[in-house]
Amino acid sequence: GESVGLHLPTLSVQEGDNSIINCAYSNSASDYFIWYKQESGKGPQFIIDIRSNMDKRQGQRVTVLLNKTVKHLSLQIAATQPGDSAVYFCAEIQGAQKLVFGQGTRLTINP
Amino acid sequence: DTGVSQNPRHKITKRGQNVTFRCDPISEHNRLYWYRQTLGQGPEFLTYFQNEAQLEKSRLLSDRFSAERPKGSFSTLEIQRTEQGDSAMYLCASSLASGGNYGYTFGSGTRLTVV
Repeated sequence: GESVGLHLPTLSVQEGDNSIINCAYSNSASDYFIWYKQESGKGPQFIIDIRSNMDKRQGQRVTVLLNKTVKHLSLQIAATQPGDSAVYFCAEIQGAQKLVFGQGTRLTINP
Repeated sequence: DTGVSQNPRHKITKRGQNVTFRCDPISEHNRLYWYRQTLGQGPEFLTYFQNEAQLEKSRLLSDRFSAERPKGSFSTLEIQRTEQGDSAMYLCASSLASGGNYGYTFGSGTRLTVV
């Protein structure tokens, strides 16, 4: 089936800076996307979601942007903290709630 | 209810042995999913249940794999005649079969090592 993917496998940022993690998807019919955070040895943890009828959605310190024209998602994390270090995945809902994940971006926070 | 629970957390087995994992979903969730995640990759869908019915299976789910959800609550995933290539993290998730926020929640996974 069609897949989602990520532009960069790793991202290093200074503590306190903003982080931007990108994701490209290929299925133009996709209507629901989720960002997950996965720490070592744990399952993916829901961060924020967005439907295709929205361009932007904000949560606590996180913002997801959706550009349907170029089939691109981004996750912005404000004032990055050491606890934000993890692998971040975008995922697309296909069919009856089956998630299709991208490869992931490892976010490292430098002190 | 403390979320999706998976047991065991870790399993080491010899090649050729059978293993079984258990998943207890969030109690009000009627959908339950199994995913497999190998190192450095995103989780890959294996199968899902709505209540006790298994509605979809991935081509990744070979005939050595079987999943059940007999009473529509907990689920088990069995791998027969394990192979080294089965080494992975096996993740369970549950959700509501309704619109809006699906509440798609993952467990912490069972890490399988086949030696």
